Amino acid sequence: SQKIEQNSEALNIQEGKTATLTCNYTNYSPAYLQWYRQDPGRGPVFLLLIRENEKEKRKERLKVTFDTTLKQSLFHITASQPADSATYLCALDMYSGAGSYQLTFGKGTKLSVIP
Amino acid sequence: DTAVSQTPKYLVTQMGNDKSIKCEQNLGHDTMYWYKQDSKKFLKIMFSYNNKELIINETVPNRFSPKSPDKAHLNLHINSLELGDSAVYFCASSHSGGIDTQYFGPGTRLTVL
Repeated sequence: SQKIEQNSEALNIQEGKTATLTCNYTNYSPAYLQWYRQDPGRGPVFLLLIRENEKEKRKERLKVTFDTTLKQSLFHITASQPADSATYLCALDMYSGAGSYQLTFGKGTKLSVIP
Repeated sequence: DTAVSQTPKYLVTQMGNDKSIKCEQNLGHDTMYWYKQDSKKFLKIMFSYNNKELIINETVPNRFSPKSPDKAHLNLHINSLELGDSAVYFCASSHSGGIDTQYFGPGTRLTVL
């Protein structure tokens, strides 16, 4: 069965450093991969989507890479700030039939940026 | 303006009861979803639905049923609630059922006693 692993359940880093979160998957070849942010008591919020033919995507201080050979995506936050503290979820688009796709989420990595 | 809203935010009920959670989106999206997030924070798709088709995750018990009065609403009805149904339920929507960004509601925390 398909499996998505986000290697760290929790990650603590110092303010100003670059946070790097890892998402690995097995038994699946997604065409797309998405990253979401979830704050306590709230729903996930979309951050970035990367396609299989894109090696890297950037949005302000965020950068995502997608290596389909390694079956891995890395999510980077540069110049991290305490406001970046949240749980970050990796999600794969899986085809569910009739032209529809469903997102399968990893368990997330809880990032804490320490002032 | 709230894009995806859910009511109630909290729901506490006894085992065996039937309850509904309502979801509304004002984004004009064609596809809506229900997710369950359990105590281990694992977010899992339950249903996806557009005006053409309902796709059900095979692991969802048939006590759970989505009901859509119109394109902007997808309610979740649960019969004969069990302790294991306690979780946070999220509604979401997307422009289409294809590869697309999903917009999530704030969640409904269901506690079954």
